[in-house]
Amino acid sequence: KQEVTQIPAALSVPEGENLVLNCSFTDSAIYNLQWFRQDPGKGLTSLLLIQSSQREQTSGRLNASLDKSSGRSTLYIAASQPGDSATYLCAGAKTGGTSYGKLTFGQGTILTVHP
Amino acid sequence: DAGVIQSPRHEVTEMGQEVTLRCKPISGHNSLFWYRQTMMRGLELLIYFNNNVPIDDSGMPEDRFSAKMPNASFSTLKIQPSEPRDSAVYFCASRLGLAPYNEQFFGPGTRLTVL
Repeated sequence: KQEVTQIPAALSVPEGENLVLNCSFTDSAIYNLQWFRQDPGKGLTSLLLIQSSQREQTSGRLNASLDKSSGRSTLYIAASQPGDSATYLCAGAKTGGTSYGKLTFGQGTILTVHP
Repeated sequence: DAGVIQSPRHEVTEMGQEVTLRCKPISGHNSLFWYRQTMMRGLELLIYFNNNVPIDDSGMPEDRFSAKMPNASFSTLKIQPSEPRDSAVYFCASRLGLAPYNEQFFGPGTRLTVL
């Protein structure tokens, strides 16, 4: 069974710090990785999608990387702001087999950026 | 685009009652996913459709749960009879295509409370 693990489970940083959220998966086979943000009581907002042929994607202060050989993805947030406080989830998917099309989610990292 | 639309946003019902959750995917998206989120189990995929056809319902917890997609712009998730352990936030998501090469977009969710 594909498992996705996110470390740390929670992170608290002062405003302005650069930070890294980690996501690892047990199957390093072909993989697409999508990062989401969830605010309390809200739905999930897609941040970045890294396809299996890519190594990283960037959007503003966010940069996500994918290393299939080690089964890891990282989400880098530069110059963090209080508005970045949320739960960040990664989700991986295979492009073949019986899990085709499914996303498997990690448990999330709860990020708090304090002023 | 209005995004994925779900209704109702909140539902409170008594044990044994029938509950119907509704979802309208993003126009043009032909894959639709139903998820359930709880503190204990995180985000779980219940069922997903491609071109209105159910592809995998292995995540549906029991026969009390059923889902339909009568056309490309509407899907329902029904629980009959409902039980207190069904209390959770139910999300609908849609994507262009079955393959996870494109981003998956989530609705705001329906918070279900079964008393």
